[in-house]
Amino acid sequence: KAGVTQTPRYLIKTRGQQVTLSCSPISGHRSVSWYQQTPGQGLQFLFEYFSETQRNKGNFPGRFSGRQFSNSRSEMNVSTLELGDSALYLCASSPGTYVQETQYFGPGTRLLVL
Amino acid sequence: SQQGEEDPQALSIQEGENATMNCSYKTSINNLQWYRQNSGRGLVHLILIRSNEREKHSGRLRVTLDTSKKSSSLLITASRAADTASYFCGWNYGQNFVFGPGTRLSVLP
Repeated sequence: KAGVTQTPRYLIKTRGQQVTLSCSPISGHRSVSWYQQTPGQGLQFLFEYFSETQRNKGNFPGRFSGRQFSNSRSEMNVSTLELGDSALYLCASSPGTYVQETQYFGPGTRLLVL
Repeated sequence: SQQGEEDPQALSIQEGENATMNCSYKTSINNLQWYRQNSGRGLVHLILIRSNEREKHSGRLRVTLDTSKKSSSLLITASRAADTASYFCGWNYGQNFVFGPGTRLSVLP
């Protein structure tokens, strides 16, 4: 099976812009989670989707949003970008119904906000 | 903080030596997982240990879990240069998933 794919791999934006990142999970996986990784805060849980519904959300402002499509592909959107949004954004899919089960990560999208 | 701790933050060893990393968490868990990350890439799942298990092995990896102390350790035996990476433990926090701050392991040839 193909692994988790994320597009784009690299992105440069300026403050105030918005960005949309895409994630295609492993075929058959219905749970998709998103994480933000920064040197200062480490890996932080953004949200998790299962069957097109957001089940869980981490402690991030409303500028961070996401959605999941019927084919389990997911997108996350960040509006009104701030310099502190520069990070590696990781998507993970899981075959089970719980975020606590084994997660399979994509290579990440590295976002730089100038 | 919900994140717990990992120690050491960084570890440098010679090839062939063993590496031990420790993880402490703060909540009750269903399971605890260990992941590896090579230089800013995606995480790779290494091993999952359930709360009713005390020890688990996978190849050169040995993980222990002590739920009474809310701690886990990852032992990599006979390390190789290819083991150079950051290692993270992770666990459920309510309905979310939390990672520790990680241990950076350098294996010198």
